[in-house]
Amino acid sequence: GEDVEQSLFLSVREGDSSVINCTYTDSSSTYLYWYKQEPGAGLQLLTYIFSNMDMKQDQRLTVLLNKKDKHLSLRIADTQTGDSAIYFCAERKSSASKIIFGSGTRLSIRP
Amino acid sequence: GAGVSQSPSNKVTEKGKDVELRCDPISGHTALYWYRQSLGQGLEFLIYFQGNSAPDKSGLPSDRFSAERTGGSVSTLTIQRTQQEDSAVYLCASSSAYQETQYFGPGTRLLVL
Repeated sequence: GEDVEQSLFLSVREGDSSVINCTYTDSSSTYLYWYKQEPGAGLQLLTYIFSNMDMKQDQRLTVLLNKKDKHLSLRIADTQTGDSAIYFCAERKSSASKIIFGSGTRLSIRP
Repeated sequence: GAGVSQSPSNKVTEKGKDVELRCDPISGHTALYWYRQSLGQGLEFLIYFQGNSAPDKSGLPSDRFSAERTGGSVSTLTIQRTQQEDSAVYLCASSSAYQETQYFGPGTRLLVL
């Protein structure tokens, strides 16, 4: 079956690292995504990882994939107030299939 | 245009009325998706068009919902006999064939009174 789960909220102090976790159930998922949604704005693709990769780093963002446990995480280093948003994890079986989204994790930054 | 556009940006309707929501994908993109995002919720998949293939309608919540894609470009999502629980933001996305990235439109915020 298809299911993507995330915790609903995360609060971190400015300057600390944020780690947002996601689990998925479909072991045949090929692509795994992280999207960001700022208040009143549309969805923005942050990064994605292929299932044959363990890690992907892009500036302050690090994606870790544990395929055995079907666990995906997004680490944001040196979290800033501009990182406040809802972060969605998503999975996709192949490039020709639909993307299934999690319910999103609301990241809030405290001073 | 440069990105995915949707219209209207906001729609207020009365319960029982029909509504049509429009999506203009990025030119040349063969894949088009509709999602629904209820307040404080994640994205619920509705329907997926890929080229000339039969659409994946597995996410449509009831037979009051339908979608068309004319000429492989513009898509219209129709909700008949709207109910209050249909109130949500309806998001459209497009991607080119076999591309990893979806590009989302700004959404249509639907309120059913």
